[in-house]
Amino acid sequence: DQQVKQNSPSLSVQEGRISILNCDYTNSMFDYFLWYKKYPAEGPTFLISISSIKDKNEDGRFTVFLNKSAKHLSLHIVPSQPGDSAVYFCAASATSGTYKYIFGTGTRLKVLA
Amino acid sequence: DTGVSQDPRHKITKRGQNVTFRCDPISEHNRLYWYRQTLGQGPEFLTYFQNEAQLEKSRLLSDRFSAERPKGSFSTLEIQRTEQGDSAMYLCASSLAGTVVREQYFGPGTRLTVT
Repeated sequence: DQQVKQNSPSLSVQEGRISILNCDYTNSMFDYFLWYKKYPAEGPTFLISISSIKDKNEDGRFTVFLNKSAKHLSLHIVPSQPGDSAVYFCAASATSGTYKYIFGTGTRLKVLA
Repeated sequence: DTGVSQDPRHKITKRGQNVTFRCDPISEHNRLYWYRQTLGQGPEFLTYFQNEAQLEKSRLLSDRFSAERPKGSFSTLEIQRTEQGDSAMYLCASSLAGTVVREQYFGPGTRLTVT
């Protein structure tokens, strides 16, 4: 039962263009979402978060959008740079005792120079 | 702030052997998590500590797995009688309780290979 889904395993984008990574979730109790970037043989690096009380959060080149009614979030990277090439994971948690995160399976982004 | 550290980074062991991994969280973080990641998957939650108390264990954590956080600082994850299916990246993350932000910060992971 995959509660967090990233349906695109890979994405290629030209340098300078926008990268849009998508994530869908099924559990309506999720109220906090994170995006991580991961390079091979390293742990995930936190990128940006969004709470369910917001529909947008921006940090530099990264913007996350949340559509609660559709149970969908997306990460926009503008402009994309070759150093952004990595696997991106979205993760969701519910307000509970542990605040553990449920992760999607990731999208491999390749930014072409 | 030196971030979350994990030791060792890589471990190769034979089936049936016991292994132990260590995680040192960010110093002021009182929440500590262990996750496991296999190829093509996202990290999967294993267990959670708040200070020294282990408050949740996933059903993924069989009886062969045990975790401790004896003084509320570093944590260890032990796997007894390892099996080939235990081969994975074991990730530790930490966060700060009592704040509205809920980011978790991960260490570099320990890659376990069971032969």
